Amino acid sequence: TQLLEQSPQFLSIQEGENLTVYCNSSSVFSSLQWYRQEPGEGPVLLVTVVTGGEVKKLKRLTFQFGDARKDSSLHITAAQPGDTGLYLCAGEEAAGNKLTFGGGTRVLVKP
Amino acid sequence: DSGVTQTPKHLITATGQRVTLRCSPRSGDLSVYWYQQSLDQGLQFLIQYYNGEERAKGNILERFSAQQFPDLHSELNLSSLELGDSALYFCASSVGLDTGEQFFGPGTRLTVL
Repeated sequence: TQLLEQSPQFLSIQEGENLTVYCNSSSVFSSLQWYRQEPGEGPVLLVTVVTGGEVKKLKRLTFQFGDARKDSSLHITAAQPGDTGLYLCAGEEAAGNKLTFGGGTRVLVKP
Repeated sequence: DSGVTQTPKHLITATGQRVTLRCSPRSGDLSVYWYQQSLDQGLQFLIQYYNGEERAKGNILERFSAQQFPDLHSELNLSSLELGDSALYFCASSVGLDTGEQFFGPGTRLTVL
């Protein structure tokens, strides 16, 4: 059982559509990160959220941290083929503790 | 390019053998982390070193060991290899003890035949 549950596991959409990926847990996290991983490469850090209710925007990507710091979402507006990849959320339960990763959401944006 | 380097990129070996994976962290980073990524298990934390000392352990088998050297590079040693050890092994680094923001290397793909 994953400490961090991501949904959906797989998402296939057309270019220009919007998508949302969810990351849920019963645990409280001091911080939560979103990474994107492309085939054959290591995960790349996209954003860190630390405050409950926090919203961060990175161009067409919007990240939200739940008020209780147990869940997060990633919303992509007008998706492009370059957004294709494996999106991973990762939570840090207490400062200095290990990072726990969710199972990932594989996103495919078709041109 | 994250600044984290890993060698080798690919490794093919036989069951029962021993291999060593190497990682150089980003310049200035004191923490090094090792992860295993397989299709059915996702990204699993193995172990963390900070400035040469073991800091945290995850799901690391007794057949596996790691160390961080004075120049801060790290090695992950995998012994008595089994077919199930075939996976991608990633190294990541961060500035300090805070594990929140990590920068990953390109990984080593290990295939055990």
